[in-house]
Amino acid sequence: AQSVSQHNHHVILSEAASLELGCNYSYGGTVNLFWYVQYPGQHLQLLLKYFSGDPLVKGIKGFEAEFIKSKFSFNLRKPSVQWSDTAEYFCAVNEGNAGNMLTFGGGTRLMVKP
Amino acid sequence: DVKVTQSSRYLVKRTGEKVFLECVQDMDHENMFWYRQDPGLGLRLIYFSYDVKMKEKGDIPEGYSVSREKKERFSLILESASTNQTSMYLCASSFWESSYNEQFFGPGTRLTVL
Repeated sequence: AQSVSQHNHHVILSEAASLELGCNYSYGGTVNLFWYVQYPGQHLQLLLKYFSGDPLVKGIKGFEAEFIKSKFSFNLRKPSVQWSDTAEYFCAVNEGNAGNMLTFGGGTRLMVKP
Repeated sequence: DVKVTQSSRYLVKRTGEKVFLECVQDMDHENMFWYRQDPGLGLRLIYFSYDVKMKEKGDIPEGYSVSREKKERFSLILESASTNQTSMYLCASSFWESSYNEQFFGPGTRLTVL
């Protein structure tokens, strides 16, 4: 079965620091990749997604992610975090021929200190 | 704006009770999903449905059942609640036609089984 690993469970950064959250998946075929974010007290919402084309994708609020097929990775980055980025971040993978089902990673809790 | 609503934000039940969690979406989505969210484990798929009266087991269906009598409504049923079903339950919906379609999430129901 497909598995998705987020190796950092908790990350604490100061404002203006750079962020990189790791995501690795196990499926060897075509994949669609997603990052979702859950701000405190809010719904889970889509941050960005990759399904084809340029492996560097840009999302909302200055986030970007790079799909590296050879490394089975889809790491999330932001050059300068803000206090408002404090949230839990989830990587999710869809096997390209599996309808719309997603397999989620365990999540990374990010705390940004003002 | 897509809206996914769940019947309760917080629910407390006793062991052995039958529990119903309701989810309604207003965007005419074909797919609907039930996940449970636990710290460190991310979101795990319980059941999903791609059409009225259709259902498919996800990764952790044991102890749960679902019902989809109308396109906009998807219910999760715990026939006999147990303490290990204490969790946050998230409902989501999406369009069917593409595997890279975004899933839209409800606010979640935090269920405590005593």
